[in-house]
Amino acid sequence: AQKITQTQPGMFVQEKEAVTLDCTYDTSDPSYGLFWYKQPSSGEMIFLIYQGSYDQQNATEGRYSLNFQKARKSANLVISASQLGDSAMYFCAMRPNAGNNRKLIWGLGTSLAVNP
Amino acid sequence: NAGVTQTPKFRILKIGQSMTLQCTQDMNHNYMYWYRQDPGMGLKLIYYSVGAGITDKGEVPNGYNVSRSTTEDFPLRLELAAPSQTSVYFCASSYGGTRGGEQYFGPGTRLTVT
Repeated sequence: AQKITQTQPGMFVQEKEAVTLDCTYDTSDPSYGLFWYKQPSSGEMIFLIYQGSYDQQNATEGRYSLNFQKARKSANLVISASQLGDSAMYFCAMRPNAGNNRKLIWGLGTSLAVNP
Repeated sequence: NAGVTQTPKFRILKIGQSMTLQCTQDMNHNYMYWYRQDPGMGLKLIYYSVGAGITDKGEVPNGYNVSRSTTEDFPLRLELAAPSQTSVYFCASSYGGTRGGEQYFGPGTRLTVT
């Protein structure tokens, strides 16, 4: 079965520190993509970062990086130098590339609170 | 580019009423999706479309219908609204490449059925 697991319902981090949000996935497809989205309290869904299953290097986007460990089937999001505006829900998602629908499989999310 | 737009932003329906949630994207994306998000929960896929004229069911299609007559528009129809359909509804779109293809989301419609 294809599945995304986010085991941390809630996380706290001190402003300016780094934080890692965990994501593990399960798929038998050899080719897939992994995504992280941010949902602040205002409700919109904001795309943060993408990692392809064949990418040799971990993806980075500004203060966001994705710690991709393929053998462990994990795709943890690392936020460096946390800011108050990083307080939000964070969702991990996977898209198996087999088939033609480009559907995403979503985790249940992790709530991150950044303390001043 | 406006991206993905949704109307209305908020709506209150009485049980048994019907309504259409509008979704339009101006990015020429082939793929479009409708999700619902219940309070404190993740996203559940209602319907999706891989191109104009082609739609298919997601995880939770009961009580909803969609159409895709153009690339840009993907309306979601609620027939005979029920309290269980109280939720936030998101429309999203993506292009079809095997690499990347992140979904871009509209701002959401908050629907209450009483």
